[in-house]
Amino acid sequence: DTVLTQSPALAVSPGERVTISCRASESVSTLMHWYQQKPGQQPTLLIYLASNLESGVPARFSGSGSGTDFTLTIDPVEADDTATYYCQQSWNDPPTFGGGTKLELK
Amino acid sequence: EVQILETGGGLVKPGGSLRLSCATSGFNFNDYFMNWVRQAPGKGLEWVAQIRNKNYNYATYYAESLEGRVTISRDDSKSSVYLQVSSLRAEDTAIYYCTRGGSPFAYWGQGTLVTVSS
Repeated sequence: DTVLTQSPALAVSPGERVTISCRASESVSTLMHWYQQKPGQQPTLLIYLASNLESGVPARFSGSGSGTDFTLTIDPVEADDTATYYCQQSWNDPPTFGGGTKLELK
Repeated sequence: EVQILETGGGLVKPGGSLRLSCATSGFNFNDYFMNWVRQAPGKGLEWVAQIRNKNYNYATYYAESLEGRVTISRDDSKSSVYLQVSSLRAEDTAIYYCTRGGSPFAYWGQGTLVTVSS
């Protein structure tokens, strides 16, 4: 299975720019997606196909990358962005998720 | 508005079985693949199973770690999808989410909690 590696946690101050990385164990082309999960809630889709913003998601969120290295950027970060962020690939079967990056605000 | 509602979770003893249901509305269910994704307490997301639509002969796919113990099915007339899980183990304790589509998973239900404990 394709393993997706994310940093476990990040802490930033409101108004700053934050980048969350996701590295794949093999190429996934641009079939990488990002989700936000707040405590006690289901995940919600933020970015699909590496760089496409899901409808209704603030433009503060953006995604980039291809192959094995991907980035989710939030600029500027707001207090409401406290959550865990997951990457997910759909190029190789089965679909797999990263372990998640917990974003905390200082 | 797309709505997805999972039911059927609960407390079950090790070795037991459970059938989870997912009722949907707000979209043409027949057009979409459906999936189950689970999340153990305090852990990350794990894809469990997918069932494709009639155009793909209702093909099913399973996570290797669960194959042989899970069966996904659907009833297009009820816009519903199901997950039968057997020989349950403590490590199957998780919230089970129903999601629409092939990837990306744009719509998720609230999930149903399955707890495996004696």
